[in-house]
Amino acid sequence: GQNIDQPTEMTATEGAIVQINCTYQTSGFNGLFWYQQHAGEAPTFLSYNVLDGLEEKGRFSSFLSRSKGYSYLLLKELQMKDSASYLCAVPYGGSQGNLIFGKGTKLSVKP
Amino acid sequence: GAVVSQHPSRVICKSGTSVKIECRSLDFQATTMFWYRQFPKQSLMLMATSNEGSKATYEQGVEKDKFLINHASLTLSTLTVTSAHPEDSSFYICSAGGRPSYNEQFFGPGTRLTVL
Repeated sequence: GQNIDQPTEMTATEGAIVQINCTYQTSGFNGLFWYQQHAGEAPTFLSYNVLDGLEEKGRFSSFLSRSKGYSYLLLKELQMKDSASYLCAVPYGGSQGNLIFGKGTKLSVKP
Repeated sequence: GAVVSQHPSRVICKSGTSVKIECRSLDFQATTMFWYRQFPKQSLMLMATSNEGSKATYEQGVEKDKFLINHASLTLSTLTVTSAHPEDSSFYICSAGGRPSYNEQFFGPGTRLTVL
């Protein structure tokens, strides 16, 4: 079966760095997505990892270890607007379309 | 990135009525669209996968007769919540894929349904 685990909530200070972890179990692997979702809004795409290693995109980086079933999202130079839920998602059923989402990590950035 | 729209953004209806939600891909052809539901403080739950020109594939536990999905064209999918009840109140989000060179899904802005 499929299972995704993320911490429920995290708090960090403006300007700091925060790492949001995600562990997953899937039958087959077709990559891992990170999405950002502000309250009451639809998710927006942040990153997609299919190979091991770190991918950097501006203030956000995403890491994947397929052997460990582990990913993290790294947010640097935190800003107040980064307060949101961060969702880890993996495709299932051999398709890149059907996504299973983790429950999301609610990040609160404080001054 | 690609743009996906949803209409309406908010709807309030009486129990027993039906509500139709439209999902459109504005600048690309979406062979596949996905419908999700999100309850407060919960994650997105996939309800069904909508393929253009064929029947939708529903996830386990989702009633296909209650949540009617139509994907009549490459740019439009509709979700109709039939005989809505208060427990159907939720945030409904569609997403669209369809370009093989991309791995991401493009999400619509969501529809907040409140059933009184």
